[in-house]
Amino acid sequence: EVQLVESGGGLVQPGRSLGLSCVASGFTFDDYALHWVRQAPGKGLEWVSGIDWNSGSIGYADSLKGRFIISRDNTKSSLYLQMNRLRPEDTALYYCARGGAAGTWDYLAYWGQGILVTVSS
Amino acid sequence: EIVMTQSPATLSVSPGERAIVSCRASQSVSNNLAWYQQKPGQAPRLLIYGASTRATGIPVRFSGSGSGTDFTLTISSLQSEDFAVYYCQQYDNGGITFGPGTKVDIK
Repeated sequence: EVQLVESGGGLVQPGRSLGLSCVASGFTFDDYALHWVRQAPGKGLEWVSGIDWNSGSIGYADSLKGRFIISRDNTKSSLYLQMNRLRPEDTALYYCARGGAAGTWDYLAYWGQGILVTVSS
Repeated sequence: EIVMTQSPATLSVSPGERAIVSCRASQSVSNNLAWYQQKPGQAPRLLIYGASTRATGIPVRFSGSGSGTDFTLTISSLQSEDFAVYYCQQYDNGGITFGPGTKVDIK
């Protein structure tokens, strides 16, 4: 069974940094692209960032303007998101998601349950 | 960035009736289009990928069609568990964007 478990969320002040982690199991981790998707309270889904199987291809939403950094450690079956210079509008539930087909960016076949990040003073 | 739009924003349907949700891309995404269902308090669930391929375990009453810029999700006979928000997502050319969602509620 594919499982994705996010951690690291919480309350953080504007301008500070926070790191999220996602541990995966139930599949061959380094066969798939992985993504972060967020959902602000009561709002829709917003793709944040994605990374392919060997970190050779990385992408970010234009709106992030270089504040976030995605990475992965295939030896630990883990995905990370370093969020810097956080703003109140970054408040959201952050989902870790796995790509559908091995080695490519595509649809998001499996999702974690999400971790809440609240940016407030 | 490819912008996705969906219509309608809200769709009121009676159980057993058919529901049709539309999705449009600001430029062609070929058939690189997926649909998701999200219920309150739950993570999204993949329904359709490649514009028309049902994901594993998805009932046959869900179907997708379209290519290029115009796509449709059809739920042939709505069941009580189908009342939810539906999102389309494009994944063409290394980018990913979601539509704003369509809420399907009980009429």
